[in-house]
Amino acid sequence: QKEVEQNSGPLSVPEGAIASLNCTYSDRGSQSFFWYRQYSGKSPELIMSIYSNGDKEDGRFTAQLNKASQYVSLLIRDSQPSDSATYLCAVTSGNTPLVFGKGTRLSVIA
Amino acid sequence: DGGITQSPKYLFRKEGQNVTLSCEQNLNHDAMYWYRQDPGQGLRLIYYSQIVNDFQKGDIAEGYSVSREKKESFPLTVTSAQKNPTAFYLCASSIPQEETQYFGPGTRLLVL
Repeated sequence: QKEVEQNSGPLSVPEGAIASLNCTYSDRGSQSFFWYRQYSGKSPELIMSIYSNGDKEDGRFTAQLNKASQYVSLLIRDSQPSDSATYLCAVTSGNTPLVFGKGTRLSVIA
Repeated sequence: DGGITQSPKYLFRKEGQNVTLSCEQNLNHDAMYWYRQDPGQGLRLIYYSQIVNDFQKGDIAEGYSVSREKKESFPLTVTSAQKNPTAFYLCASSIPQEETQYFGPGTRLLVL
């Protein structure tokens, strides 16, 4: 059974701080990694995708991937109250549906 | 305006009743998916289809059925065999080569 693990939180950070969200996965054959943001009562929306080891930056968001450690993370710089949401990590080995973690709830305190 | 639509937004089911959730996309995506989300839980895969007239069971297919007669449409039926259907149902689609999935707005199913 392929598993994706996330700390459920809540993770509370002050406004302007860096939020660090972590995710581990069990399938060593995983090739593609995604972070989705889900506001309460809404559907998930894609924030970042990452496919190779290292960092990938997009605005205030940075995804980090370490395949040897089976670990992927999302950093949010200059956190804003509007970033308060649940962040879902998703993983696939290719040609198979995404496997989602249960999500980490982030709360940014103004 | 391209996207994925789901209807209805809220759906009420009586005991022993089958209900059908609609999912339509105009993104020309080949693959479509149905997920169920319970409070505080992640997304669990019910069924998926990578091509018209073909679909596969996901992790929690029991009590559900689907059809894929058109590329644009992937309706989900929640049958009376599903004893605990109350959940948030999400439809998604993707271009298989890209793997990225895009989600519709969801349908919230409640039992009367």
